[in-house]
Amino acid sequence: KAGVTQTPRYLIKTRGQQVTLSCSPISGHRSVSWYQQTPGQGLQFLFEYFSETQRNKGNFPGRFSGRQFSNSRSEMNVSTLELGDSALYLCASSLGQANEKLFFGSGTQLSVL
Amino acid sequence: AQSVTQPDIHITVSEGASLELRCNYSYGATPYLFWYVQSPGQGLQLLLKYFSGDTLVQGIKGFEAEFKRSQSSFNLRKPSVHWSDAAEYFCAVGASLQGAQKLVFGQGTRLTINP
Repeated sequence: KAGVTQTPRYLIKTRGQQVTLSCSPISGHRSVSWYQQTPGQGLQFLFEYFSETQRNKGNFPGRFSGRQFSNSRSEMNVSTLELGDSALYLCASSLGQANEKLFFGSGTQLSVL
Repeated sequence: AQSVTQPDIHITVSEGASLELRCNYSYGATPYLFWYVQSPGQGLQLLLKYFSGDTLVQGIKGFEAEFKRSQSSFNLRKPSVHWSDAAEYFCAVGASLQGAQKLVFGQGTRLTINP
């Protein structure tokens, strides 16, 4: 069974641009969560989608948004990029039950110049 | 609010030595606790999880963790480390709300192995 796939692996953008990251969950998984990882703030929860609906959202500005498609694939978008958005963005999938284990992708490393 | 504290930012041990990584949590109800490991440039892999029952939990790669409610701790242990265990280790508490998935992570402990 294929794991969680995130594309692209690396991304370089400049301030003010917008970016879209993609995540394909494990087959059969209906929940996709996104996390931001930085050296200073560690791992922080962005949001979680289940069956195309956002179920939970972290404490991030509205510039961060996401969506989930009917095949459970998810995208997250960051608009008006800031230098502080440079981070590893991790996607995780699961069946969608509360507090079950998450399966993580290798992440997208975003650098904002 | 839920929180997780990993007091040790960086630990160095010799290959073959025993290991204990500390984790303290703050959570109002019975916690769901996890340990994940991250190798450089990679995502997170689950080592073990605690939901209920036996407070000593066995995981993959020879790791175990003990849940101590009185100390709000969930420390990770391994009797004999291997060079391949060098990585960053994250403790997390499940903070799901109405079924929605959410993990709150500690800041991580970076493990270095001396040959």
